[in-house]
Amino acid sequence: DADVTQTPRNRITKTGKRIMLECSQTKGHDRMYWYRQDPGLGLRLIYYSFDVKDINKGEISDGYSVSRQAQAKFSLSLESAIPNQTALYFCATSDGGYQETQYFGPGTRLLVL
Amino acid sequence: QKEVEQNSGPLSVPEGAIASLNCTYSDRGSQSFFWYRQYSGKSPELIMFIYSNGDKEDGRFTAQLNKASQYVSLLIRDSQPSDSATYLCAVRYPGSARQLTFGSGTQLTVLP
Repeated sequence: DADVTQTPRNRITKTGKRIMLECSQTKGHDRMYWYRQDPGLGLRLIYYSFDVKDINKGEISDGYSVSRQAQAKFSLSLESAIPNQTALYFCATSDGGYQETQYFGPGTRLLVL
Repeated sequence: QKEVEQNSGPLSVPEGAIASLNCTYSDRGSQSFFWYRQYSGKSPELIMFIYSNGDKEDGRFTAQLNKASQYVSLLIRDSQPSDSATYLCAVRYPGSARQLTFGSGTQLTVLP
């Protein structure tokens, strides 16, 4: 089984709808991240969490919210989806060590019509 | 604003050649540097980490770091078609709460 899973893998929604993307991990890491990837723009950080009680905004948090339900679960919500939120969304985890490698989930491809 | 710049490519090399990928960063105080490989439709995976000036080798991959010139490069020796992917450079800036800033990636194609 994959260490970092994301659901759904693909989602089509309409403008104005609220949607939630979920991330679960079995790596036992405290640190979790949400990124979005757009063609030509690389990965941009939306939110990150260093433990259940620690939530921080990233570079592009406007229009998004998150919930850290447990060490293993970190959800991203789009309160009112808009077309420019169409992107590939990745969840990642890290162990907080010196190198602190980030391990990415398989991604969720979101299309907002 | 912290920036990480990469040539977007595409970069094409023949099989067996050396592929050279470059990355520059804006903050001289940066300490940790990462190269991720991302196959089309897949998630990024770490292939190299470097934090000291000089070269670090791992199999066919060599990362080169020059902090004075603020660039980090990735060399892939004996390139194979399976190396065809987008390569993302990432930098951990000082005071960044251990976040990574990613470049936009260089698309590499290795021609058989």
